[in-house]
Formats: sequence, structure tokens, C-alpha cells
Amino acid sequence: GEDVEQSLFLSVREGDSSVINCTYTDSSSTYLYWYKQEPGAGLQLLTYIFSNMDMKQDQRLTVLLNKKDKHLSLRIADTQTGDSAIYFCAGGGNDYKLSFGAGTTVTVRA
Amino acid sequence: DAMVIQNPRYQVTQFGKPVTLSCSQTLNHNVMYWYQQKSSQAPKLLFHYYDKDFNNEADTPDNFQSRRPNTSFCFLDIRSPGLGDAAMYLCATSRGGAETQYFGPGTRLLVL
Repeated sequence: GEDVEQSLFLSVREGDSSVINCTYTDSSSTYLYWYKQEPGAGLQLLTYIFSNMDMKQDQRLTVLLNKKDKHLSLRIADTQTGDSAIYFCAGGGNDYKLSFGAGTTVTVRA
Repeated sequence: DAMVIQNPRYQVTQFGKPVTLSCSQTLNHNVMYWYQQKSSQAPKLLFHYYDKDFNNEADTPDNFQSRRPNTSFCFLDIRSPGLGDAAMYLCATSRGGAETQYFGPGTRLLVL
């Protein structure tokens, strides 16, 4: 499996943009995912990017992939209080498995 | 519409008393996964089924077993729960390969 690293905490003011960063070691990951987990809940798929893409935008979410540096980021525009959660990045290959980062806890303050 | 359903959402058991957690899916996906997630940690894969083929992770304790009687259902059996098995248990499904995994809401297990 691959190693996936994320910063553990992010505090952001309501209405600002949030940027969550992730680095990974295995360049053979076919897809890279962002999941959101609210307290006491399961993982909700937010978005994903195929490894041959550099960027994907989906409403307030923008995913950037830098394959050379093995760096993935998730930008949330106009962050709202409902965006407070833990965000996991994960890499998936053809072995049916996901390698998760430790998760970034995002706190949105008024 | 619920796609991956886990029952119950909360389960309390006693130390050493067998417990079974349930997962069902309406997606007709080939692969079903069980993860264990402890507080402030990433989900840890316990095992997965590709159709009827069972794949155990090397570090999954023998105390954990699974059954998949049909495409829709998968069960996690904990034979003799210890205090360290208290966690959130997540079920997920996918079509296989590098396809997206869809997670259920999880079952929170408490061991007394």
C-alpha cells in the first residue's frame, strides 16, 4: 500500500476558502479521492480525480493534482459552517483497496 | 435513497460476547469491504469480498470474521469482543478495480 499524509488540522473563517493538502507516495494510484466525515457518521464521497487529470472543479470544490510532486489538494470556496468535518484523502489502484491519509479536521469559525 | 445500509447504528455488547454487524447494499456492487475506525484515525481495512472470494488483511485479528451469503448482504462477526474492539465499523462497496468505494453510515460498537 501507499503512504498518504495530510496536515491534521485547519481552522478557517466562514466565507473564506479552505485548502486541504495531501501527499502520497505511490504514483500508480489510478484515482485519488476526497471523503468527508461528519461526527458519528460514515464517509461521504466528495469528489475524485483520475490520475491523468490536473484539475477538477465541482461547484465549490476544486481538486488539484500535481503528479510530479505527488501532491493533491482540495479547495473549498466560500466555506460554510456545514463544512466543518474531517476530510480524508485516499489513493486507489487496481487492487480494490484504498490507502487513506490520517484525515484533516476542518473547523469553520464565525 | 440509501445505497449502503448498516444495522444497527449503535451496538452495545459485553466483553467476550459474540456480536454480528450487518451491511446491505442496493448498488449490486461486486466488492464489499469492512473497515474498523478508531477515534481520530483513518479507517483500517479488515477484509473484503470480491463476489464470493474472501480476502483477509494480514493484520486482521482472528477474532474478526465475515460472511457474504449473497450479493446484497455482508456480515461482520466478532467472536469474542475485547475492550480494544470498541470502534466505528464501516462497510463500503465498489464495482471493483480502482472504482469508487461508497460507504455506509457505520455502526458504533461499544464493549462493556
